[in-house]
Amino acid sequence: QKEVEQNSGPLSVPEGAIASLNCTYSDRGSQSFFWYRQYSGKSPELIMFIYSNGDKEDGRFTAQLNKASQYVSLLIRDSQPSDSATYLCAGYSGGGADGLTFGKGTHLIIQP
Amino acid sequence: ETGVTQTPRHLVMGMTNKKSLKCEQHLGHNAMYWYKQSAKKPLELMFVYNFKEQTENNSVPSRFSPECPNSSHLFLHLHTLQPEDSALYLCASSPKSVGGLSITNEKLFFGSGTQLSVL
Repeated sequence: QKEVEQNSGPLSVPEGAIASLNCTYSDRGSQSFFWYRQYSGKSPELIMFIYSNGDKEDGRFTAQLNKASQYVSLLIRDSQPSDSATYLCAGYSGGGADGLTFGKGTHLIIQP
Repeated sequence: ETGVTQTPRHLVMGMTNKKSLKCEQHLGHNAMYWYKQSAKKPLELMFVYNFKEQTENNSVPSRFSPECPNSSHLFLHLHTLQPEDSALYLCASSPKSVGGLSITNEKLFFGSGTQLSVL
């Protein structure tokens, strides 16, 4: 069974520091990965996706993928209180929507 | 209006009621989805419509009945639900462009969700 594992947290990070969110996956057939941000009471919003080994940067966000270790991470630089949310990791192994597996999410708190 | 709109935002219903959730996307996407989000659990895919045709049904109980009259509208009809069906129900759409890069096809755009409580 395909699984995407995340530490549920809460992960508490001081404002201005780097927040590091981690995700591991069981399906070696997973081709690409998505990070969604979900504010309390709101719907998930896509912030990053990655499909190649290495780093992908977009503003304050960096996604990292290591397929050999089956490990994905999201780094948030210069963390702001507005980054406080639950971050969902999802792995895609092809075959349409059924190939998208979500983790339970990590609750991130940025302390002012 | 832009994006994916979902109504109602909140719904309380008894186990004998019949109600419907409505979703509309204004993004020109070709695929629409229903997801269930329960506390402490991953998002669960319920139904997928690709170019108006249902392509997946992840063993969802028959008390949930989807309807997709066109590529912009999606409904979820509810009847004789159970208390354990209480959850956040999310509608989503994705491009599903023919010949497009696979990963782009799977980018999901979510509606605001319906928080459902079954008494």
